[in-house]
Amino acid sequence: NAGVTQTPKFRVLKTGQSMTLLCAQDMNHEYMYWYRQDPGMGLRLIHYSVGEGTTAKGEVPDGYNVSRLKKQNFLLGLESAAPSQTSVYFCASSRSGGAVETQYFGPGTRLLVL
Amino acid sequence: GQNIDQPTEMTATEGAIVQINCTYQTSGFNGLFWYQQHAGEAPTFLSYNVLDGLEEKGRFSSFLSRSKGYSYLLLKELQMKDSASYLCAVVDSNYQLIWGAGTKLIIKP
Repeated sequence: NAGVTQTPKFRVLKTGQSMTLLCAQDMNHEYMYWYRQDPGMGLRLIHYSVGEGTTAKGEVPDGYNVSRLKKQNFLLGLESAAPSQTSVYFCASSRSGGAVETQYFGPGTRLLVL
Repeated sequence: GQNIDQPTEMTATEGAIVQINCTYQTSGFNGLFWYQQHAGEAPTFLSYNVLDGLEEKGRFSSFLSRSKGYSYLLLKELQMKDSASYLCAVVDSNYQLIWGAGTKLIIKP
C-alpha cells in the first residue's frame, strides 16, 4: 500500500498563476484533509472532506478551493496564487471517526510563490 | 481563544531521557495526540490519550492530566534518530483538531 501520496512534490509559481495539488489515498478512508505548515506555526486546516462529494472549510480556507469527486482523491486548487501562499502543504486521511482517529499524512508539497 | 503551548526547541544527549511538555486551553477536550515529524517529512502518529494517566509504548510514554490541561511526552534512551519535531494536538468539544507549533528536539552525541 502506498498510503497517502501527493503530487507534485515541489512547485514554483508566479503571483496570479493557478495550480492544483493532488492527494490520493489507498486506505479506503472516509475523511481527508488539507493543511498548510509554516515556520513557527502549527498545522492549519485549509479544507476537509468527510466523504466522497462533500467538502467543508477549515481554519484558513480563503484563496483555496477543493473537490472530492472520488473517495480516494482530494484536490486542492489555488486560483490566483499569492506570495502569502508560499508554504508546505500536507494532505492527510483518517477513518470515519474524524478528529479522534489517527491521521495519515502524505509527504507534502513545497510551494513557492514569487 | 484556543491555545496550545509547547517549548520551541529542546536539546538532549544521546542515551538520556527528555520530557516534552504541552499545555492547552481549549473549548472542551476529546483527546490529545502526539505526532513526530522529521525535518522535511510528514508527521507520523505517536500516541493518543483521552484518559488521565501514563501510557507507555516502548521507549516513548505519554502522560495526560485533564484537570491541569497538561500532557508530556517522555522519550527514554535517546537515539540520534529521535531528532525531530514533536507536535501536540488536542481534539476540542467540536471535534476539531487544534495543533501546537511543535517542539524541535536536538539530540547531541
